[in-house]
Amino acid sequence: QKEVEQNSGPLSVPEGAIASLNCTYSDRGSQSFFWYRQYSGKSPELIMFIYSNGDKEDGRFTAQLNKASQYVSLLIRDSQPSDSATYLCAVNPMNRDDKIIFGKGTRLHILP
Amino acid sequence: ETGVTQTPRHLVMGMTNKKSLKCEQHLGHNAMYWYKQSAKKPLELMFVYNFKEQTENNSVPSRFSPECPNSSHLFLHLHTLQPEDSALYLCASSQAGRQETQYFGPGTRLLVL
Repeated sequence: QKEVEQNSGPLSVPEGAIASLNCTYSDRGSQSFFWYRQYSGKSPELIMFIYSNGDKEDGRFTAQLNKASQYVSLLIRDSQPSDSATYLCAVNPMNRDDKIIFGKGTRLHILP
Repeated sequence: ETGVTQTPRHLVMGMTNKKSLKCEQHLGHNAMYWYKQSAKKPLELMFVYNFKEQTENNSVPSRFSPECPNSSHLFLHLHTLQPEDSALYLCASSQAGRQETQYFGPGTRLLVL
């Protein structure tokens, strides 16, 4: 089973600052990358996804891919206390569009 | 109801019991998934069904038995579980082949005594 690795945190960021979350993956053939947010006691919800052809921005969120180094990052601008959650990185394995593999997640804490 | 629903939301069972988890999706999707989420471990994919056909069994012990009678319903039958099977069991659905459409249900919190 190929791996997706994340620093478990917690990552503490002051309110209003930029939060930067990173994820590395081992399957060089992966083509699709996902970021999920999971609040405590809740199920994961998709917040961003990108394909191997470029970065993506959506409101305060930016997802960036570095294929050469096999890592994907999520930037959250103007961090809010409501952004405090666990962020799960997930990756499509090569030639498998019917599944994604998750990392353990990074716990983010926005300091008011 | 909308989205993905799961019942029961909480379940306590003994190691000799038999129980079933139910999942229903109201999104018109044609793929469904079972995941296991334990503390300190990544979200683990257990089973995948595309158009009611199982396409993934991620080396799951036979004490877990999935059933997908149609594209809207998914069951997980449990028997002779172990305490280490205690976890949050999440169901999800998506359009087949489009993981960006994957949507999770609220989960069933299972405790095996």
